[in-house]
Amino acid sequence: DAKTTQPTSMDCAEGRAANLPCNHSTISGNEYVYWYRQIHSQGPQYIIHGLKNNETNEMASLIITEDRKSSTLILPHATLRDTAVYYCIVRGWFGTASKLTFGTGTRLQVTL
Amino acid sequence: GAVVSQHPSRVICKSGTSVKIECRSLDFQATTMFWYRQFPKKSLMLMATSNEGSKATYEQGVEKDKFLINHASLTLSTLTVTSAHPEDSSFYICSAGDQTGTPTNEKLFFGSGTQLSVL
Repeated sequence: DAKTTQPTSMDCAEGRAANLPCNHSTISGNEYVYWYRQIHSQGPQYIIHGLKNNETNEMASLIITEDRKSSTLILPHATLRDTAVYYCIVRGWFGTASKLTFGTGTRLQVTL
Repeated sequence: GAVVSQHPSRVICKSGTSVKIECRSLDFQATTMFWYRQFPKKSLMLMATSNEGSKATYEQGVEKDKFLINHASLTLSTLTVTSAHPEDSSFYICSAGDQTGTPTNEKLFFGSGTQLSVL
């Protein structure tokens, strides 16, 4: 799976949009971009994933650049409960369940 | 959404004993499950891939005789830490895929994790 690069940490004021960047310049054509987050001492929580089109769900939006070498996760109105480590993962699809390889992630701190 | 249940959430054991951790997919069948471990303030590290009805696939550097994996049914995988020692103390997490058949909607869901402390 392609490697990803994320900032180590970010701060965001509550109520503002949190924009978390991720670089995946070696991504290949069959690889998807997944985002998970992990709140302290819990298992990771699925947020969103996409291939090349922008995606939106009830939790967040995922913006993938046209060349697919980078993406941005957007939490439109961050709350204190969004404080967590956010992982951007590139995952290949081979017709069966394939593993997720976690990088170091971005520690997002939402403040009042 | 799909739920993965992991038990126990926390276990404390004496050095030399074995500990079993269970991972269940509650509302879907999972041919494949994954086991991770995580040290404090570190990222998740994949230990092994658990395959229903066949042997698990271990990542490089993970002792298969130390970490026994059994995936006897489509909804249950177990990880047994044998002859546990203090250095095995860690946060263990399982995951399973809601394999609805296409990459556009396949996700991996995670259990809540098991904090193992070996005295």
